[in-house]
Amino acid sequence: ETGVTQSPTHLIKTRGQQVTLRCSSQSGHNTVSWYQQALGQGPQFIFQYYREEENGRGNFPPRFSGLQFPNYSSELNVNALELDDSALYLCASTLEAASYEQYFGPGTRLTVT
Amino acid sequence: SQQGEEDPQALSIQEGENATMNCSYKTSINNLQWYRQNSGRGLVHLILIRSNEREKHSGRLRVTLDTSKKSSSLLITASRAADTASYFCATYDISGGYNKLIFGAGTRLAVHP
Repeated sequence: ETGVTQSPTHLIKTRGQQVTLRCSSQSGHNTVSWYQQALGQGPQFIFQYYREEENGRGNFPPRFSGLQFPNYSSELNVNALELDDSALYLCASTLEAASYEQYFGPGTRLTVT
Repeated sequence: SQQGEEDPQALSIQEGENATMNCSYKTSINNLQWYRQNSGRGLVHLILIRSNEREKHSGRLRVTLDTSKKSSSLLITASRAADTASYFCATYDISGGYNKLIFGAGTRLAVHP
């Protein structure tokens, strides 16, 4: 167990809707990263939050946004869902932004129909 | 974009046999990590090898790194049915002043009793 939790486990949404996924990091970990993993592929970096501010972003459009809260929880929000957004979404927490140790949650499986 | 590329994409072996997975990457690295993923769930960190190391062991795992060839291999000895999972190599991209993991597409290992 990594001490990182995510909710919900599974989610089904319709194209065009909005979704919020949640992650609870390990206590004391001030950095959280989100990854998208399409079926049969490796995870792809979406963005990272450090001390409640976006610290870096991968090649994802602005309709992917996030929030990080002082209590080590964070959210990934996706607006205007598209079919290609169907994937496993993983969050990973680290003690500091420069740390190499990332602790992954179990993921949220999002299906967009 | 994917940094590491694993080979083979899928591997099927019998219990007790050894499993070898290879990974190639494109850019200079500080370290390379291997992760395991069961049934499309969260990633579990297996082992980290630094760029100045050539080989590292952890239990039944042996990882090698050849920075001149930009490649790494993961060997699982005396495999068990419980080793059935997907295995990913990942490198760190620190451009932009933050750490993000770049994953390959993974090797899907099936160990048959």
